[in-house]
Amino acid sequence: AQSVTQLGSHVSVSEGALVLLRCNYSSSVPPYLFWYVQYPNQGLQLLLKYTTGATLVKGINGFEAEFKKSETSFHLTKPSAHMSDAAEYFCAVISGGGYNKLIFGAGTRLAVHP
Amino acid sequence: KAGVTQTPRYLIKTRGQQVTLSCSPISGHRSVSWYQQTPGQGLQFLFEYFSETQRNKGNFPGRFSGRQFSNSRSEMNVSTLELGDSALYLCASSLGQENGEQYFGPGTRLTVT
Repeated sequence: AQSVTQLGSHVSVSEGALVLLRCNYSSSVPPYLFWYVQYPNQGLQLLLKYTTGATLVKGINGFEAEFKKSETSFHLTKPSAHMSDAAEYFCAVISGGGYNKLIFGAGTRLAVHP
Repeated sequence: KAGVTQTPRYLIKTRGQQVTLSCSPISGHRSVSWYQQTPGQGLQFLFEYFSETQRNKGNFPGRFSGRQFSNSRSEMNVSTLELGDSALYLCASSLGQENGEQYFGPGTRLTVT
């Protein structure tokens, strides 16, 4: 069965600092990987996705993620944090059997300090 | 293009009652998926409907059911509510192709007392 592990339930950075949110996946087949963001009292917004092809994926709001098969990782980064980036971030994988059954990690809450 | 809409946004029910939640997908999307979000269990997949047929199902008891109409709108029903059913219920729509992008609604916050 596929699974996702997000390291660190809380991450705190200063405004302007690098953001790094970690995600490792477990999959017996090539995975489809996603990062979503959730702001308070809202649904999930897709930041970026990896399906096939280029391993460095660029998303919205300056975020990007790199798929590393050898490390089974899909870490999310942003060079310079902004106050508006404070939210909860979820890494997800499409399960074996495909279609739209997303398996989510536990989430990482990002705090950005002035 | 309008996003995914969910009604109602907030709901308070009593144990033993049943509840129906509604989701209207983005125009042209034929797939609707439902997820439950709780502090303890996180985000869990309930089921997916595509062209009025359930295509995928998560590990939830039979008290949780759903359906999809010919206009792609979907409803989910929870019967005999339990306190543990208190959660944010999110629906997501997509075109329906395998591993496609899903767009989430704002959710329905259900509180069971």
